Amino acid sequence: DTGVSQDPRHKITKRGQNVTFRCDPISEHNRLYWYRQTLGQGPEFLTYFQNEAQLEKSRLLSDRFSAERPKGSFSTLEIQRTEQGDSAMYLCASSPQRRSPYNEQFFGPGTRLTVL
Amino acid sequence: AQSVTQPDIHITVSEGASLELRCNYSYGATPYLFWYVQSPGQGLQLLLKYFSGDTLVQGIKGFEAEFKRSQSSFNLRKPSVHWSDAAEYFCAVGANENAGKSTFGDGTTLTVKP
Repeated sequence: DTGVSQDPRHKITKRGQNVTFRCDPISEHNRLYWYRQTLGQGPEFLTYFQNEAQLEKSRLLSDRFSAERPKGSFSTLEIQRTEQGDSAMYLCASSPQRRSPYNEQFFGPGTRLTVL
Repeated sequence: AQSVTQPDIHITVSEGASLELRCNYSYGATPYLFWYVQSPGQGLQLLLKYFSGDTLVQGIKGFEAEFKRSQSSFNLRKPSVHWSDAAEYFCAVGANENAGKSTFGDGTTLTVKP
């Protein structure tokens, strides 16, 4: 198992274009999270899935953002009509759901988005 | 709501010196606390975590942290810093009531002088 992977690692786009990022979690993990990290700040929660169900979305996730996890495995995060304020690192994390006090999250390397 | 404050934006220490990074949290119940390290262009690596029990927890790379409920703090320490420790450090709090998602502080950037 190679951990959480994200693709692409870097994306440069022009304002107004659509972009899509992919996250492949650790194979046995049924929870998947998306975070956004801007310069000088810590990661901020965007949304999370349990299996294929999207159970929570942050108010940070505007209507231009949509996330899917169609088969409960990999997930995609799409941003439509990108704006310069969308420039950030987008981090994916996964965790198992076991009977333990708390299930830690394992983070991927992130996708750095630059909107020109 | 849970929140995390890291009061120090940037810390510089000499190689071999001791290190303490501060973290204060706000949460109504017993929190689950984490320290992560992030090198430039990389994802987050978990250094250590606190769930319950012994309030002094040991982590990887020689780091330790102490949970102090009375001070709502979870400070990270290392007795002797190596040049390779230069990175950004994030404290985070999580809660099962929030489906396991974490709330992060804004980070502390560590510079190590030779």
